[in-house]
Amino acid sequence: KQEVTQIPAALSVPEGENLVLNCSFTDSAIYNLQWFRQDPGKGLTSLLLIQSSQREQTSGRLNASLDKSSGRSTLYIAASQPGDSATYLCAAHATDKLIFGTGTRLQVFP
Amino acid sequence: DAGITQSPRYKITETGRQVTLMCHQTWSHSYMFWYRQDLGHGLRLIYYSAAADITDKGEVPDGYVVSRSKTENFPLTLESATRSQTSVYFCASSDYYEQYFGPGTRLTVT
Repeated sequence: KQEVTQIPAALSVPEGENLVLNCSFTDSAIYNLQWFRQDPGKGLTSLLLIQSSQREQTSGRLNASLDKSSGRSTLYIAASQPGDSATYLCAAHATDKLIFGTGTRLQVFP
Repeated sequence: DAGITQSPRYKITETGRQVTLMCHQTWSHSYMFWYRQDLGHGLRLIYYSAAADITDKGEVPDGYVVSRSKTENFPLTLESATRSQTSVYFCASSDYYEQYFGPGTRLTVT
């Protein structure tokens, strides 16, 4: 059974720092991995999708990597800003379904 | 409006009542999903559908019923609401690779 773990569970950093959020999954037979952002009381916004044949994807200050052999993905946030404060969720795509991690709650203070 | 919408956004109901949560998407995505999000449990899949008239159980289907007569709609019905079904419910749709989420319905069962 696929299990997805995110470390750390919470992170508080000053503005401007470069951050790494970690996601690990137990079954390397995934189709893709998706990173989401969730603001308090809101739905999930898709940030990046890495397909199984890809190693990384970039969007602005965000870069996500995927290493299927080690069962790991990382989300790199460059030059963090207070507006980046949110919960970040990774999800592994297994067969027809996404398996979600429990998230990393990020706070960036000025 | 383009995208994925849910209604109602907020609902309070009494134990034993039947409640239907609506989900509508305008992308003609084949796949649609219902999740619930609870503190301590993260996002859990209730039901999903690969196409009209095709539905399948997720991780926590008990007490819920779904139907999908049209590609764009995927209603979720709580046949006899219980307090344990108090939660935030998210609908999502997918072109198989990337999932897109609705804004959520906050349901309180008293």
